Amino acid sequence: DTEVTQTPKHLVMGMTNKKSLKCEQHMGHRAMYWYKQKAKKPPELMFVYSYEKLSINESVPSRFSPECPNSSLLNLHLHALQPEDSALYLCASSHGRVGGTEAFFGQGTRLTVV
Amino acid sequence: SQQGEEDPQALSIQEGENATMNCSYKTSINNLQWYRQNSGRGLVHLILIRSNEREKHSGRLRVTLDTSKKSSSLLITASRAADTASYFCATDEVETSGSRLTFGEGTQLTVNP
Repeated sequence: DTEVTQTPKHLVMGMTNKKSLKCEQHMGHRAMYWYKQKAKKPPELMFVYSYEKLSINESVPSRFSPECPNSSLLNLHLHALQPEDSALYLCASSHGRVGGTEAFFGQGTRLTVV
Repeated sequence: SQQGEEDPQALSIQEGENATMNCSYKTSINNLQWYRQNSGRGLVHLILIRSNEREKHSGRLRVTLDTSKKSSSLLITASRAADTASYFCATDEVETSGSRLTFGEGTQLTVNP
C-alpha cells in the first residue's frame, strides 16, 4: 500500500466553524507533512511531524492546529479561518531517514472558506 | 519560503518532442526531487537525485544536478499528451528531526497531440 489517504476531498466552511482534515498512511513512514497550495502556486510547507512529534512549524497562524495521534494518522484542526485560507491542503509522508527520501502525497482537500 | 526558481514558467510542445525544465536553488541540499501534478490533484514523485550525483535516468526522464551552480534540469524525451501537467522541483534540507521539502515555482507543460 503506497497511498496517502486524505478526507474529505472537498470542504466548505464558514468563518466561525470548526472542522478537521484527516490524513492516513500505512507505509510505516515516520515523517508526515501538511502543505498548503493556492491556485497556480507551488505547495508551501506548514508543518512537519517526525516520529509523532512536531518538528517544524513554518510560523503558521494558530487557527491551524496539527495533531498526530499515532504514526499512521495526521490531522489538521481548523478554527475561525479566513476566506484567504481557501486552498488545496496536501498531506504527505516519507521515511524520514537522514539524507532524505521521496515523499508520497495524498490527493488533497479542497477547502473553501465562506 | 520558496527557494527554487524554475524556468520556463510555461512550455508548450508537440507530441514526440523533448521537454527541458530548469530549476535553481539557493541553499545547500541533501537531494533534489522532481514532482508532477495534474490539475488540482496530489503530487507524484518522479525522481530523486542526491547531492553527490550528477545525472540520473528513469525511463523517459533524465535529471542533472550541478551543485556548484545550484541548478538542476529535467528532460522528458519523446513527450506524450499524457505528460501534460505541472512539474515542480523540490529541495530537501534535512533538519535534525524530519526533513523539509521546499518547492520551486513550477513549470506548466502542455504537450499537444
